[in-house]
Amino acid sequence: DTEVTQTPKHLVMGMTNKKSLKCEQHMGHRAMYWYKQKAKKPPELMFVYSYEKLSINESVPSRFSPECPNSSLLNLHLHALQPEDSALYLCASSQPMGGGFHWETQYFGPGTRLLVL
Amino acid sequence: KQEVTQIPAALSVPEGENLVLNCSFTDSAIYNLQWFRQDPGKGLTSLLLIQSSQREQTSGRLNASLDKSSGRSTLYIAASQPGDSATYLCAVDRTGANNLFFGTGTRLTVIP
Repeated sequence: DTEVTQTPKHLVMGMTNKKSLKCEQHMGHRAMYWYKQKAKKPPELMFVYSYEKLSINESVPSRFSPECPNSSLLNLHLHALQPEDSALYLCASSQPMGGGFHWETQYFGPGTRLLVL
Repeated sequence: KQEVTQIPAALSVPEGENLVLNCSFTDSAIYNLQWFRQDPGKGLTSLLLIQSSQREQTSGRLNASLDKSSGRSTLYIAASQPGDSATYLCAVDRTGANNLFFGTGTRLTVIP
């Protein structure tokens, strides 16, 4: 099973709503990632969880709050978003290479397309 | 500050043609360089990963090369097919922790 699943596929929310995006993988990978991708732009890294600990936070506004309940699950909690936060949110996971310092390539989910009204 | 640029931004070729996509990066202190493809509105699929100590990697009709000193990588696609139509993205790992920084992408269309 080399699949990363993301739910929901689409989400429309108002600026006062609270919602969550969910990502799941059952490959035993020990790193999981959130990316934001605006239309016709490359993905931009938001957060990295390594061994269930937040290791990288690329200066993302606090209205985005990641959570890693266990090694297979990664959530992104959304609160008081702005219309400019509308984008495709991608989740990915990867596995450490033999020695554990470097990481293998990332497997991406299909994304959640978010529209903030 | 790392900048990753891909040229051309868009490319149309007839089926069967061999083609080269280019990726350049400004900071040569990278751990690896990866090539992905992305179909419209979908996630990314990994194609090739080249470690900083390697010069090239091959998978089927794809061959990727890396020249760290000049800050360049190329993705060669042989005998292109309509199914190869997608956006191709290169990405550099800046830290060894798979902290990927993506290039601007090349949108490829292979015409039957």
